[in-house]
Amino acid sequence: EVQLQQSGPEVGRPGSSVKISCKASGYTFTDYVMNWVKQSPGQGLEWIGWIDPEYGSTDYAEKFKKKATLTADTSSNTAYIQLSSLTSEDTATYFCARSGITGWFAYWGQGTLVTVSS
Amino acid sequence: DIQMTQSPSFLSASVGDRVTINCKASQNINKYLDWYQQKHGEAPKLLIYNTNNLQTGIPSRFSGSGSGTDYTLTISSLQPEDVATYFCLQHSSRPRTFGGGTKLELK
Repeated sequence: EVQLQQSGPEVGRPGSSVKISCKASGYTFTDYVMNWVKQSPGQGLEWIGWIDPEYGSTDYAEKFKKKATLTADTSSNTAYIQLSSLTSEDTATYFCARSGITGWFAYWGQGTLVTVSS
Repeated sequence: DIQMTQSPSFLSASVGDRVTINCKASQNINKYLDWYQQKHGEAPKLLIYNTNNLQTGIPSRFSGSGSGTDYTLTISSLQPEDVATYFCLQHSSRPRTFGGGTKLELK
């Protein structure tokens, strides 16, 4: 059974960084890319980017190129997103989601709430 | 970026009703359009991929259609458990972009 287990809620101060994890199980981690999606409170969904764990290659939406850094550790089958220079606009739930390089998001993590607060 | 305009934003319907939700792309997306259901406090769930392919385990009352720039999700007979927000997603070109969502409630 494919599962994506994300780390728990984070609170970050303005200007700081947070790092969220997404541990994959039930499939070969390097066979699929891992996407990250942002959902602001009461808002819709925004695609942040993906990482190909096999090669470490990444693709980011323009809006998130200076905000997010995607990494992956194949030894632990875990993908990460680091959000830097936090502002109130980064307060949101962040989801990881598995897909092909192009294609649908068949599996999602449960989401991680990031709250930016001083 | 391809803009996805989803309508309606809010929908109220009765159990047993036929419900349709629409997504219009700002350019041809060649049927690379998926539909997701998100219940309150949960992650989105894939319902339909590439316009009309039902994801494994999804009830057959859900169906998708469309081509070019216009796509539709249909629920043939609304059930109480279908109360949720529905999103479309285009993966024809990067960046992937979502529709704004349709919140479906029971009348």
